[in-house]
Amino acid sequence: SQQGEEDPQALSIQEGENATMNCSYKTSINNLQWYRQNSGRGLVHLILIRSNEREKHSGRLRVTLDTSKKSSSLLITASRAADTASYFCATAWRGYIPTFGRGTSLIVHP
Amino acid sequence: EAQVTQNPRYLITVTGKKLTVTCSQNMNHEYMSWYRQDPGLGLRQIYYSMNVEVTDKGDVPEGYKVSRKEKRNFPLILESPSPNQTSLYFCASSFLPGGSGEHEQYFGPGTRLTVT
Repeated sequence: SQQGEEDPQALSIQEGENATMNCSYKTSINNLQWYRQNSGRGLVHLILIRSNEREKHSGRLRVTLDTSKKSSSLLITASRAADTASYFCATAWRGYIPTFGRGTSLIVHP
Repeated sequence: EAQVTQNPRYLITVTGKKLTVTCSQNMNHEYMSWYRQDPGLGLRQIYYSMNVEVTDKGDVPEGYKVSRKEKRNFPLILESPSPNQTSLYFCASSFLPGGSGEHEQYFGPGTRLTVT
């Protein structure tokens, strides 16, 4: 069964706006990773946050992790049309094995 | 260039005809994995391997086989494909925690399989 679940399933915004997507999970994790997938292509790793970290930044990306609520959020600031993609969270819970959610489909309109 | 390669990229076949999708990585990763992606279901793990000769079932292993005879290769075998195995398949690899790297997964470009 899938461990992480992203919310919302789909998000449509204008260029320049911020995009926030969330990931909820069920059991204790070692770390949580976010990936991006352009249509029909392989996933690309964006950022990893460990269970003892609360926030992490990478360029226009900001990831938070709340282990008490078993949730994470990915914020993309000042979005661009090129950010249009599906975004997945992956949680490592079976020792190490990462498990992916169903993803959030983000559309950024120019 | 660090990469995961898959072949073929596209395949149309008929029910029951055995096929193999190859996967190779050049990053000396211990961990390799196969996923299938279907609309509305996200990525589901088929099989994974922690190292040579070590493989284990993921969430949807039925109808698939794998082998890990060499560290760089992890082929996916469909002995008797059926239409419900029509899907987009991804191979991925990473280091294991405790070793070098952040164990982020590197994904191949995908293999789109259609079984008629």
